Amino acid sequence: QVQLQESGPGLVKPSETLSLMCTVSGGSVSSYYWSWIRQPPGKGLEWIGYIYHSGSTKYNPSLKSRVTISLDTSKNQISLKLNSVTAADTAVYYCARDSGSFDYWGQGTLATVSS
Amino acid sequence: QSMETQPPSASGTPGQRVTISCSGSSSNIGSNIVNWYQQLPGTAPKVVIHSNNQRPSGVPDRFSGSKSGTSASLAISGLQSEDEADYFCAAWDDSLNGYVFGAGSKVTVL
Repeated sequence: QVQLQESGPGLVKPSETLSLMCTVSGGSVSSYYWSWIRQPPGKGLEWIGYIYHSGSTKYNPSLKSRVTISLDTSKNQISLKLNSVTAADTAVYYCARDSGSFDYWGQGTLATVSS
Repeated sequence: QSMETQPPSASGTPGQRVTISCSGSSSNIGSNIVNWYQQLPGTAPKVVIHSNNQRPSGVPDRFSGSKSGTSASLAISGLQSEDEADYFCAAWDDSLNGYVFGAGSKVTVL
């Protein structure tokens, strides 16, 4: 059974960089697309971007200038970096496997942007 | 940002049929598959319909999906209390070159 686990600091200061990690077990990141998706408190879902096992990436145009997604196949991890954060970036961040649908999700991690 | 329109809420009594619509455009629903996600309170979303009308293993057959043109629908027949959740549609958007989600519909079992 594929499992995903997000991790990272729960609190980030405005203008700094949010860094999150997604560790995959029960499967390999060397297959499939892997996405990051976020959900502000009480709101809907927003796709941030994905990385393919080849390393190619695609990002939401609204976040593209601030986002980097990368893959560490040796550790079976996917990382997310979002720079110059503001309060509007406060959200639960999920990683998910994309097999045509998001068929496996992590439990999500809340990242709060506040001084 | 959401680019697919869903009603904010839907409700029914146990055993009834509830339908949620998702209206998009030619660049998303009109040219790509639609997936539906169920989000129970405090949990991560879970796919209940993929590829417009396919149920993943383990999803009850009371969940069904359809698509026509630039719109899609999720139906829950024989509504049960455990179906009370938020439901989101999603599709790839060729203009945005990324995934878009509907704003979500909260299903309440009366």
